[in-house]
Amino acid sequence: DQQVKQNSPSLSVQEGRISILNCDYTNSMFDYFLWYKKYPAEGPTFLISISSIKDKNEDGRFTVFLNKSAKHLSLHIVPSQPGDSAVYFCAASGDDYKLSFGAGTTVTVRA
Amino acid sequence: NAGVTQTPKFRILKIGQSMTLQCAQDMNHNYMYWYRQDPGMGLKLIYYSVGAGITDKGEVPNGYNVSRSTTEDFPLRLELAAPSQTSVYFCASSYSTEGSGELFFGEGSRLTVL
Repeated sequence: DQQVKQNSPSLSVQEGRISILNCDYTNSMFDYFLWYKKYPAEGPTFLISISSIKDKNEDGRFTVFLNKSAKHLSLHIVPSQPGDSAVYFCAASGDDYKLSFGAGTTVTVRA
Repeated sequence: NAGVTQTPKFRILKIGQSMTLQCAQDMNHNYMYWYRQDPGMGLKLIYYSVGAGITDKGEVPNGYNVSRSTTEDFPLRLELAAPSQTSVYFCASSYSTEGSGELFFGEGSRLTVL
């Protein structure tokens, strides 16, 4: 039973434009959310996180927005660069500190 | 910086064979994890450890065993390999608990069971 869902398996965006990745969750006990980025033949690497006491967290070109009432978060990448082409995983945890991962969204940035 | 090192990167097993996936980290992290990733699915936690000598089951532990004799090493043992264990396996470590801090992942081990 997937508690974290990334309904878009892929996203294609032109270089310089905004990439918006979406993530929905079903467990209302989740209070910490993370995004990981994965290149082919490499392990995932941590990108950005947000706790449930915030609705926005920004780190350079990456911003994560959290809408608790909708159980929805999104990752914005502005501007998108060719090096951003990767698989992005959304993950969430609650007070048991166990992570649930989404299936990932493959982002392709076109030159 | 080596970080988290996994070996082997690729392996083909026959049904019923056994093998061990090795994982070592040099960051002095107490927490270590094994995940598997199947096509179109998110990462699933197999086993985890909160320190040397302590291990516990994750979401999908059946068919696997682990040990943690040192802080650095966390090997994953597959007994009697089955086609359902064909997957990409990731080892990870962290300074704090899994869901409250950053995980550092190895490059993955692709296992095929025929």
